[in-house]
Amino acid sequence: KNQVEQSPQSLIILEGKNCTLQCNYTVSPFSNLRWYKQDTGRGPVSLTIMTFSENTKSNGRYTATLDADTKQSSLHITASQLSDSASYICVVSHYTNAGKSTFGDGTTLTVKP
Amino acid sequence: DGGITQSPKYLFRKEGQNVTLSCEQNLNHDAMYWYRQDPGQGLRLIYYSQIVNDFQKGDIAEGYSVSREKKESFPLTVTSAQKNPTAFYLCASSWAVTGGALDEQFFGPGTRLTVL
Repeated sequence: KNQVEQSPQSLIILEGKNCTLQCNYTVSPFSNLRWYKQDTGRGPVSLTIMTFSENTKSNGRYTATLDADTKQSSLHITASQLSDSASYICVVSHYTNAGKSTFGDGTTLTVKP
Repeated sequence: DGGITQSPKYLFRKEGQNVTLSCEQNLNHDAMYWYRQDPGQGLRLIYYSQIVNDFQKGDIAEGYSVSREKKESFPLTVTSAQKNPTAFYLCASSWAVTGGALDEQFFGPGTRLTVL
């Protein structure tokens, strides 16, 4: 069964600190991996999308990495801000069934002043 | 939330009633999707459509129906057959379903459905 596991489930950090969120997946063959940010009660917003040939992608203070060999991805947030408080969702698409993506349960990040 | 609108934002219905959730996009995307989100769980795919007049069942299609008569619109009907319909419903769209960067999905603001 295709699965996406995210860790930690929740994380609390102080404003200005860095943090790294993890995503492990079993989807194979793999097509693309996406990271989204979801504020409470709102729709997810895309942060990065990486295909199997890419191993890093940045979007401002957000940097995603991908190791397709170990089926792991990470999202690194630099110099966190209060507005970074949200749920971060990892999504993986299957190569032959790209319409059906597998979503992780998300990591809830809280940034405190 | 980009060019995707969902209405209404909050919806209440009585048990046994069908209800239709609206989703419209002006991004000229070919593909559209419906997801359900329950507290503490990942998004689950209900239906998706790669092109007008065509759609495929997702992982939890039972009790739901859709139509895709126009490229811009992908309404979702929650029927009385859906046993536990209270949830947050999200609509999304993408340029295509190819397995590459064109798969990037853009989400609407969501509709929170509560069954009374």
